[in-house]
Amino acid sequence: EVQLVESGGGVVQPGGSLRLSCAASGFTFDDYAMHWVRQAPGKGLEWVSLISGDGGSIYYADSLKGRFTISRDNSKNSLYLQMNSLRTEDTALYYCAKHGMDVWGQGTTVTVSS
Amino acid sequence: SYVLTQPPSVSVAPGKTARITCGGNNIGSKSVHWYQQKPGQAPVLVVYDDSDRPSGIPERFSGSNSGNTATLTISRVEAGDEADYYCQVWDSSSDHYVFGTGTKVTVL
Repeated sequence: EVQLVESGGGVVQPGGSLRLSCAASGFTFDDYAMHWVRQAPGKGLEWVSLISGDGGSIYYADSLKGRFTISRDNSKNSLYLQMNSLRTEDTALYYCAKHGMDVWGQGTTVTVSS
Repeated sequence: SYVLTQPPSVSVAPGKTARITCGGNNIGSKSVHWYQQKPGQAPVLVVYDDSDRPSGIPERFSGSNSGNTATLTISRVEAGDEADYYCQVWDSSSDHYVFGTGTKVTVL
Protein backbone atom coordinates (compact mmCIF):
# COMPACT_ATOMS: atom_id res chain seq x y z
CA GLU A 1 0.00 0.00 0.00
CA VAL A 2 1.28 3.43 -0.96
CA GLN A 3 1.48 5.54 2.18
CA LEU A 4 2.84 8.85 3.42
CA VAL A 5 3.05 9.63 7.14
CA GLU A 6 3.98 13.08 8.39
CA SER A 7 5.39 13.87 11.82
CA GLY A 8 7.18 16.60 13.70
CA GLY A 9 4.43 19.17 14.10
CA GLY A 10 3.76 20.94 17.34
CA VAL A 11 3.42 24.26 19.11
CA VAL A 12 6.28 26.73 18.75
CA GLN A 13 6.77 30.37 19.64
CA PRO A 14 7.18 33.01 16.94
CA GLY A 15 10.76 33.02 15.72
CA GLY A 16 11.21 29.37 16.58
CA SER A 17 12.02 26.37 14.40
CA LEU A 18 10.53 22.98 13.59
CA ARG A 19 11.53 20.10 11.36
CA LEU A 20 8.77 18.13 9.71
CA SER A 21 9.27 14.61 8.40
CA CYS A 22 7.35 12.51 5.91
CA ALA A 23 7.91 8.75 5.79
CA ALA A 24 7.06 7.11 2.47
CA SER A 25 6.29 3.47 1.76
CA GLY A 26 4.79 1.32 -0.96
CA PHE A 27 6.50 2.96 -3.93
CA THR A 28 10.01 3.60 -5.25
CA PHE A 29 10.63 6.81 -3.36
CA ASP A 30 13.56 8.15 -5.35
CA ASP A 31 11.62 7.84 -8.61
CA TYR A 32 9.31 10.64 -7.55
CA ALA A 33 9.49 14.32 -6.77
CA MET A 34 7.73 15.25 -3.54
CA HIS A 35 5.71 18.24 -2.37
CA TRP A 36 4.83 20.00 0.86
CA VAL A 37 1.41 21.66 0.89
CA ARG A 38 -0.16 23.50 3.82
CA GLN A 39 -3.63 24.54 4.86
CA ALA A 40 -4.25 27.23 7.45
CA PRO A 41 -7.29 26.69 9.70
CA GLY A 42 -10.46 27.24 7.69
CA LYS A 43 -8.50 28.26 4.61
CA GLY A 44 -7.57 26.78 1.24
CA LEU A 45 -4.62 24.75 0.08
CA GLU A 46 -1.26 26.48 -0.35
CA TRP A 47 1.66 24.88 -2.16
CA VAL A 48 4.87 25.21 -0.14
CA SER A 49 7.73 23.43 -1.87
CA LEU A 50 8.80 20.74 -4.34
CA ILE A 51 11.96 18.62 -4.49
CA SER A 52 12.96 16.37 -7.37
CA GLY A 53 13.61 12.67 -6.95
CA ASP A 54 17.36 13.10 -6.71
CA GLY A 55 17.09 16.30 -4.68
CA GLY A 56 18.83 18.29 -7.38
CA SER A 57 15.92 20.60 -8.18
CA ILE A 58 14.05 22.52 -5.51
CA TYR A 59 11.28 25.11 -5.69
CA TYR A 60 9.60 27.22 -3.01
CA ALA A 61 6.54 29.42 -2.75
CA ASP A 62 7.42 33.10 -2.65
CA SER A 63 5.68 33.53 0.72
CA LEU A 64 8.39 31.53 2.47
CA LYS A 65 11.12 34.04 1.68
CA GLY A 66 14.01 31.73 2.44
CA ARG A 67 12.78 30.59 5.85
CA PHE A 68 11.96 26.99 4.88
CA THR A 69 14.27 24.29 3.49
CA ILE A 70 13.06 21.11 1.82
CA SER A 71 15.28 18.04 1.70
CA ARG A 72 15.07 14.29 1.34
CA ASP A 73 16.99 11.17 2.30
CA ASN A 74 16.30 8.51 -0.30
CA SER A 75 18.12 5.88 1.76
CA LYS A 76 15.46 6.38 4.44
CA ASN A 77 12.51 7.00 2.11
CA SER A 78 11.99 10.26 3.91
CA LEU A 79 11.13 13.86 3.06
CA TYR A 80 11.80 16.80 5.36
CA LEU A 81 10.84 20.44 5.81
CA GLN A 82 13.04 22.58 8.03
CA MET A 83 11.08 25.64 9.11
CA ASN A 84 12.91 28.57 10.68
CA SER A 85 11.87 32.04 11.85
CA LEU A 86 8.32 30.82 12.18
CA ARG A 87 5.48 33.34 12.15
CA THR A 88 1.91 33.12 13.36
CA GLU A 89 0.79 32.99 9.73
CA ASP A 90 2.69 29.70 9.30
CA THR A 91 0.12 28.02 11.56
CA ALA A 92 -1.37 25.28 9.40
CA LEU A 93 -1.80 21.59 8.70
CA TYR A 94 1.20 20.53 6.65
CA TYR A 95 0.80 17.74 4.11
CA CYS A 96 3.39 15.89 2.10
CA ALA A 97 2.29 14.62 -1.30
CA LYS A 98 3.82 12.47 -3.99
CA HIS A 99 4.41 14.29 -7.28
CA GLY A 100 1.26 14.14 -9.32
CA MET A 101 -0.47 14.64 -5.97
CA ASP A 102 -2.26 11.32 -6.26
CA VAL A 103 -1.05 10.33 -2.80
CA TRP A 104 -1.19 12.54 0.30
CA GLY A 105 -0.40 12.01 3.93
CA GLN A 106 -2.86 12.90 6.66
CA GLY A 107 -0.86 15.95 7.66
CA THR A 108 0.90 17.26 10.75
CA THR A 109 -0.23 20.37 12.59
CA VAL A 110 2.05 23.31 13.20
CA THR A 111 0.89 26.02 15.60
CA VAL A 112 2.94 29.18 15.99
CA SER A 113 1.83 31.07 19.06
CA SER A 114 3.22 32.89 22.03
CA SER B 1 2.14 35.57 -9.70
CA TYR B 2 -0.40 33.36 -11.40
CA VAL B 3 -3.88 33.45 -9.88
CA LEU B 4 -6.66 30.87 -10.12
CA THR B 5 -10.15 32.07 -9.24
CA GLN B 6 -13.02 29.79 -8.24
CA PRO B 7 -16.54 30.61 -7.06
CA PRO B 8 -16.73 30.29 -3.27
CA SER B 9 -19.75 28.04 -3.37
CA VAL B 10 -21.95 25.96 -5.64
CA SER B 11 -25.24 24.41 -4.61
CA VAL B 12 -26.83 21.53 -6.47
CA ALA B 13 -29.74 19.16 -5.96
CA PRO B 14 -29.12 15.42 -5.85
CA GLY B 15 -29.12 13.86 -9.29
CA LYS B 16 -28.36 17.14 -11.01
CA THR B 17 -25.11 18.43 -12.51
CA ALA B 18 -22.61 20.65 -10.70
CA ARG B 19 -20.12 22.73 -12.64
CA ILE B 20 -17.16 24.32 -10.87
CA THR B 21 -15.12 26.86 -12.77
CA CYS B 22 -11.47 27.79 -12.38
CA GLY B 23 -10.40 31.00 -14.04
CA GLY B 24 -6.84 31.93 -14.94
CA ASN B 25 -5.02 33.85 -17.63
CA ASN B 26 -4.76 31.54 -20.66
CA ILE B 27 -5.34 28.53 -18.41
CA GLY B 28 -6.16 26.54 -21.53
CA SER B 29 -2.44 26.35 -22.23
CA LYS B 30 -1.77 24.62 -18.90
CA SER B 31 -2.62 21.22 -17.45
CA VAL B 32 -5.27 21.52 -14.75
CA HIS B 33 -5.76 19.14 -11.87
CA TRP B 34 -8.73 18.96 -9.51
CA TYR B 35 -8.91 17.84 -5.88
CA GLN B 36 -11.79 16.97 -3.61
CA GLN B 37 -11.41 17.58 0.11
CA LYS B 38 -13.96 16.46 2.67
CA PRO B 39 -13.91 17.86 6.23
CA GLY B 40 -11.06 16.49 8.31
CA GLN B 41 -9.56 14.58 5.38
CA ALA B 42 -6.62 15.01 3.05
CA PRO B 43 -7.33 16.11 -0.51
CA VAL B 44 -8.06 13.48 -3.14
CA LEU B 45 -7.14 13.86 -6.81
CA VAL B 46 -10.30 13.51 -8.91
CA VAL B 47 -9.18 14.81 -12.31
CA TYR B 48 -5.67 15.30 -13.71
CA ASP B 49 -4.32 16.73 -16.95
CA ASP B 50 -7.57 18.61 -17.62
CA SER B 51 -9.83 15.61 -18.11
CA ASP B 52 -8.29 12.31 -17.01
CA ARG B 53 -9.55 10.39 -13.99
CA PRO B 54 -7.40 8.42 -11.56
CA SER B 55 -8.44 4.84 -11.03
CA GLY B 56 -11.31 4.58 -8.58
CA ILE B 57 -12.81 7.96 -9.40
CA PRO B 58 -16.35 7.65 -10.79
CA GLU B 59 -17.05 8.60 -14.39
CA ARG B 60 -19.44 11.18 -13.00
CA PHE B 61 -16.39 13.43 -12.52
CA SER B 62 -15.13 15.04 -15.70
CA GLY B 63 -13.05 18.05 -16.65
CA SER B 64 -12.49 20.45 -19.50
CA ASN B 65 -10.14 23.33 -20.13
CA SER B 66 -10.13 26.06 -22.76
CA GLY B 67 -9.28 29.71 -23.04
CA ASN B 68 -9.33 31.33 -19.63
CA THR B 69 -11.54 28.80 -17.86
CA ALA B 70 -11.25 25.20 -16.71
CA THR B 71 -14.33 23.37 -15.49
CA LEU B 72 -14.93 20.39 -13.25
CA THR B 73 -18.30 18.78 -13.91
CA ILE B 74 -19.95 16.41 -11.47
CA SER B 75 -22.89 14.58 -13.05
CA ARG B 76 -25.69 12.88 -11.15
CA VAL B 77 -24.56 14.51 -7.93
CA GLU B 78 -24.76 12.44 -4.76
CA ALA B 79 -24.76 13.49 -1.13
CA GLY B 80 -21.25 12.08 -0.79
CA ASP B 81 -19.95 14.62 -3.32
CA GLU B 82 -20.41 17.41 -0.80
CA ALA B 83 -16.89 18.74 -0.27
CA ASP B 84 -14.44 21.51 -1.10
CA TYR B 85 -12.93 21.36 -4.57
CA TYR B 86 -9.64 22.92 -5.67
CA CYS B 87 -8.09 23.38 -9.08
CA GLN B 88 -4.33 23.45 -9.51
CA VAL B 89 -1.74 24.19 -12.19
CA TRP B 90 2.00 24.38 -12.60
CA ASP B 91 3.03 27.90 -13.59
CA SER B 92 6.17 27.41 -15.64
CA SER B 93 6.93 31.13 -15.76
CA SER B 94 7.50 31.21 -12.01
CA ASP B 95 8.26 27.52 -11.34
CA HIS B 96 5.43 27.51 -8.82
CA TYR B 97 2.47 25.26 -8.25
CA VAL B 98 -0.73 27.23 -7.75
CA PHE B 99 -4.01 26.19 -6.16
CA GLY B 100 -7.32 27.81 -6.84
CA THR B 101 -9.24 29.58 -4.11
CA GLY B 102 -11.52 26.59 -3.58
CA THR B 103 -15.23 25.95 -4.05
CA LYS B 104 -17.56 24.48 -1.47
CA VAL B 105 -20.12 22.22 -3.09
CA THR B 106 -23.34 21.84 -1.14
CA VAL B 107 -25.83 19.13 -2.03
CA LEU B 108 -29.31 20.43 -1.29
